[in-house]
Amino acid sequence: QQQVKQSPQSLIVQKGGISIINCAYENTAFDYFPWYQQFPGKGPALLIAIRPDVSEKKEGRFTISFNKSAKQFSLHIMDSQPGDSATYFCAANRRYGGSQGNLIFGKGTKLSVKP
Amino acid sequence: EAGVTQFPSHSVIEKGQTVTLRCDPISGHDNLYWYRRVMGKEIKFLLHFVKESKQDESGMPNNRFLAERTGGTYSTLKVQPAELEDSGVYFCASSLGGASEKLFFGSGTQLSVL
Repeated sequence: QQQVKQSPQSLIVQKGGISIINCAYENTAFDYFPWYQQFPGKGPALLIAIRPDVSEKKEGRFTISFNKSAKQFSLHIMDSQPGDSATYFCAANRRYGGSQGNLIFGKGTKLSVKP
Repeated sequence: EAGVTQFPSHSVIEKGQTVTLRCDPISGHDNLYWYRRVMGKEIKFLLHFVKESKQDESGMPNNRFLAERTGGTYSTLKVQPAELEDSGVYFCASSLGGASEKLFFGSGTQLSVL
């Protein structure tokens, strides 16, 4: 049973455009929502993360929007660049109690930014 | 500073054989995690070490998988005997603190069981 659903599976965006990736979760106990970026041949790397006490977090061109009532969160990449082409994974976790090390990942979105 | 190192990067074995994957975490990171991604699927948690102790092994698929972290440094993940469904990319990650914050992933081991 998949606890974090991610869409779309793949995304093609023109250079300078906005890339949007969406995730939905089921477990209301989740309280940490990171996004990981993975380039071919490399491991995932933490890109940006948010906790449910805020609705938005921005770091440079990357923004997480969080909707607690809808149990959804999304990644927006502004002014997308060819160098942003990678696979993006959303994830969720319950930081306190239970398994702290068990990140629940989405299936990933392969982003291609065309020049 | 060296990152998380995994080897081999690729391993091709036949069904029924044994394979051992190794992970060297970032120096000083007490927390070490193993994850696996089967092609097209999500990255799934396997287990979590704190130093040499298994904190959580709820994601281990079955008793054909054995993870160790002797001395709280590097870790090994042994699959014996390997089955076709064990194919995938095995990632190791480490972190300074717990609670999954800022996991540093290795590049993974691509395991193909034929």
